[in-house]
Formats: sequence, structure tokens, C-alpha cells
Amino acid sequence: DMKVTQMPRYLIKRMGENVLLECGQDMSHETMYWYRQDPGLGLQLIYISYDVDSNSEGDIPKGYRVSRKKREHFSLILDSAKTNQTSVYFCASSPGTGASAETLYFGSGTRLTVL
Amino acid sequence: GQQVKQSSPSLTVQEGGISILNCDYENDMFDYFAWYKKYPDNSPTLLISVRSNVDKREDGRLTVFLNKSGKHFSLHITASQPEDTAVYLCAAGSNQGGSAKLIFGEGTKLTVSS
Repeated sequence: DMKVTQMPRYLIKRMGENVLLECGQDMSHETMYWYRQDPGLGLQLIYISYDVDSNSEGDIPKGYRVSRKKREHFSLILDSAKTNQTSVYFCASSPGTGASAETLYFGSGTRLTVL
Repeated sequence: GQQVKQSSPSLTVQEGGISILNCDYENDMFDYFAWYKKYPDNSPTLLISVRSNVDKREDGRLTVFLNKSGKHFSLHITASQPEDTAVYLCAAGSNQGGSAKLIFGEGTKLTVSS
């Protein structure tokens, strides 16, 4: 079953706390992504990972870092969360090769609230 | 600035009509264009995509039109159904060694009324 799994689905944190969002995929996809979705702004790319320990900043990386130590796992870390990081976070993966190289498979999203 | 833009935040179409969703982009290096569909509290899923070497692609009730000179692409949904009601996100990018860095538009909320 091809799947991108995100944990947790809902998370409430206080300003200044550290946040860890986890993402896993079972399709052996090389490329993984973290996006955030805010009203009126669509999906904004935070980080892209081309493979293990091969990560690149997206359009809005400030305040975030990522970790990819295994191909199937990609974590998003917020050190000292801020209220403006309240958002819905989507993880995605893509094959990276072949006819459907660019097709993104999304997880269910994590709704993060920073109080 | 916004590299990929959907100027209409919402659209309402009568059941059976044609829904036309529009997307403009800025980067003429983009060579991959896609439309994703998103239901509330669900994740986006790919509807249809096209590469820059074609101007049009059809798949059932869906057609993507690509106008490279105008940096514009659109999604036409014929015989629109209530179940087509969703948010539609356009995306564009360039295939850099197999991994596309997709830039998404803001989304258009389509409502098909019966």
C-alpha cells in the first residue's frame, strides 16, 4: 500500500517549545518535501530532500530545520516555536525518476497550533 | 513575489457546466505543470499534469491547456459534478535531475451547485 504517513495529526505547543514533525513513506521515493499551507497562500515549500543527508532549502526555510537519516523518514524540526508557525504542515514524496518523477504523494497533514 | 498565481480564490459552476480554472506563472524555465485536488481536511492528490512539449492534454472530463508564451495554464472540467467541489491547486516547476521543485498557487475553491 503506497502511503505517506505523518505524525501527529494535531499538535498544540507553547511559544518557545521545540516541535518535531515526523514523516514516513513506504515507496522508496528518493525525494521528500515539507510544505506548509496557510489561508490565501497555498502550499509553500519549506525544505526539499533529494536523499539521505541531501537537503536543500525551499522558499521559506527560516525557523525550520530538517533531518533525513533514512530514505523512508523525513523530519521537520522547529527549534523554539513561534506563533506565526501555526499552520498545517504537509509532507510529500516523489519518485524522482521515471515517467511520474514529479508526482507528489502527500501525507494527511499535521495541524500545528503554537500558543 | 508569487511565482505561481491563481487569481480567482473561488468559482461557482452549475452542475453539468464547464469549470475553468486558471493559473499564471513567472518563471519561463518551468517545464512541468500540474493540477492537484484537495478536499477539506484531506491531502492534495494529483489530477493531471503536462510537460512543456505539449499544449494540451486530455484525461476524461479533464483537459489542461498550456500557453507557454503567455505563461498561463488552465484546467477545464466538463460536465461538472457536485463531487468536483473541492480546492484546486495549480503547480509548476522544472525537472532538475529528476526531482521537481514544485511551486504551488494559492488555490481556487470550486463549488458545483446542483
